[in-house]
Amino acid sequence: GQQLNQSPQSMFIQEGEDVSMNCTSSSIFNTWLWYKQDPGEGPVLLIALYKAGELTSNGRLTAQFGITRKDSFLNISASIPSDVGIYFCAGTESTDKLIFGTGTRLQVFP
Amino acid sequence: KAGVTQTPRYLIKTRGQQVTLSCSPISGHRSVSWYQQTPGQGLQFLFEYFSETQRNKGNFPGRFSGRQFSNSRSEMNVSTLELGDSALYLCASSLAVADYTDTQYFGPGTRLTVL
Repeated sequence: GQQLNQSPQSMFIQEGEDVSMNCTSSSIFNTWLWYKQDPGEGPVLLIALYKAGELTSNGRLTAQFGITRKDSFLNISASIPSDVGIYFCAGTESTDKLIFGTGTRLQVFP
Repeated sequence: KAGVTQTPRYLIKTRGQQVTLSCSPISGHRSVSWYQQTPGQGLQFLFEYFSETQRNKGNFPGRFSGRQFSNSRSEMNVSTLELGDSALYLCASSLAVADYTDTQYFGPGTRLTVL
């Protein structure tokens, strides 16, 4: 099935560091969403983006909808241990069908 | 407001059997989508139901089917189970008021193991 290109695949960082991950598509997307998934649980929505160029923050998280509508990034500032998990980008083209990225596994060391 | 609930949380079946999974959306949400998550393929879209009708469908064989009831609750059925059907099955609901801009909220998933 179709998947978005998400990078990096994994990150190992020290507590307090900033994190950046991004997602790219070969086609134009109408929405970009960022989710976090903990082991054995469903993805939890972090940030939703609906307009090209939109920059949205949610606490220490900031995400942007790329101007070309083919990419998005997520930044996490001052990481803490509970940030550990898998982060997925997701987007919709012309339907409600969500297409997911391959995921970024984040590990935070104290 | 209660979130999306899925039952059962865990299920073990053998090859050839069939299984039915259930999803109750967030109150007021009219759209329910189903996804399969495996380590190899990631999150893959199965289908979406809105007002008891299938509105979108992913690229899965006909063994995978679903339905939605008048109260928006949805069920997913997999017949003639194969080993490769072992996965986490996720359900997501959305308001589906605007055109394809609604945010989807996920349930905790049903972990299906096929032996």
